[in-house]
Amino acid sequence: GALVYQYPRRTICKSGTSMRMECQAVGFQATSVAWYRQSPQKTFELIALSTVNSAIKYEQNFTQEKFPISHPNLSFSSMTVLNAYLEDRGLYLCGARLGGSYEQYFGPGTRLTVL
Amino acid sequence: GDSVTQTEGPVTLSEGTSLTVNCSYETKQYPTLFWYVQYPGEGPQLLFKVPKANEKGSNRGFEATYNKEATSFHLQKASVQESDSAVYYCALISNYNVLYFGSGTKLTVEP
Repeated sequence: GALVYQYPRRTICKSGTSMRMECQAVGFQATSVAWYRQSPQKTFELIALSTVNSAIKYEQNFTQEKFPISHPNLSFSSMTVLNAYLEDRGLYLCGARLGGSYEQYFGPGTRLTVL
Repeated sequence: GDSVTQTEGPVTLSEGTSLTVNCSYETKQYPTLFWYVQYPGEGPQLLFKVPKANEKGSNRGFEATYNKEATSFHLQKASVQESDSAVYYCALISNYNVLYFGSGTKLTVEP
């Protein structure tokens, strides 16, 4: 079956520092990967949509300068949170879309705490 | 832009009672509609999807009908169990290839 792994599951960083998180699709080819942030109120914010061989599309309020994404192949994507502050806290979710379908599979998330 | 609105929670039910979570959507495209479920400490899991209007999706006793005229996709279950306690999200994907979620409805089922 389709599985999505995210690493690390939890991370703590000091205010102003950066941290990188990874997303791995196993058992299927992910033609696109969407990164979301889930707030403590459980709402989802779409950060960016990354499609292999296409430009990464960032949503309003999110920029490449703050959240650079690498998507080198159909099974791996990474995102860095640069210069993290308190407002960047939350659960970062990676949703990998199965090629040829609209189904999107999610990893368990990376929970970011900023001190 | 595309958007999804669903029943505000939390919702608390007794085991064996019926569940309805309302979902309505807005889009200028012809979307595929989804219900996701999220358990504590996990990412959202696909419950089921319905790509075509007037069709019904179902899984684990949950079901929803894609009503294009009413732009609705209400989630129903006839008899909930304690293990159904989770947060439920209605979502849509349109030609923009982006999955948009509703705000989620937290369900607690008491024994």
